[in-house]
Amino acid sequence: GDSVTQMEGPVTLSEEAFLTINCTYTATGYPSLFWYVQYPGEGLQLLLKATKADDKGSNKGFEATYRKETTSFHLEKGSVQVSDSAVYFCALGGGSNYKLTFGKGTLLTVNP
Amino acid sequence: DTAVSQTPKYLVTQMGNDKSIKCEQNLGHDTMYWYKQDSKKFLKIMFSYNNKELIINETVPNRFSPKSPDKAHLNLHINSLELGDSAVYFCASSQADYGYTFGSGTRLTVV
Repeated sequence: GDSVTQMEGPVTLSEEAFLTINCTYTATGYPSLFWYVQYPGEGLQLLLKATKADDKGSNKGFEATYRKETTSFHLEKGSVQVSDSAVYFCALGGGSNYKLTFGKGTLLTVNP
Repeated sequence: DTAVSQTPKYLVTQMGNDKSIKCEQNLGHDTMYWYKQDSKKFLKIMFSYNNKELIINETVPNRFSPKSPDKAHLNLHINSLELGDSAVYFCASSQADYGYTFGSGTRLTVV
């Protein structure tokens, strides 16, 4: 079945550092790929998505590229802020799949 | 305007009780879901409904019963609550590949 593996956290960075959170997937067919963010005490918000190979999703300085050859969708940001502290989830799904399959989440803490 | 709203936000109840969580979406989406997030933040799908029809039922105990009176509503009823049911429950909706919109969650604590 479908599965998502993302790097274990927690990740602790200083403000303005470069961020990478690795995500790889196993799926049949051609899923859409997503990154969701969960701020403390809140629900999940869609951060960015890509629906086909080589698509790049971007939002709020974050970006991720759908790499079919390496089955990856790594999240990157060039300069993190304290306000980026949250749990980040990689997920796959869409179309007739009728569900999102999530990775285990990565807790990011950014210190001033 | 809240896109996916679920109530209540917090629910504290005793073991053995029966409780319900309600969810409504005003996005016109065809598909609605219930997800469970455990204490380690892991998210797992429980149910998926498409146009009021049950599509996915992922090995959830039959104490959990979803009900979709129309495609804008998906409620979750839980019988005979157990300590292990304590979690955050998220409702979500989607339409094709346009992404999934989540509610703000219901934190259920069983004591």
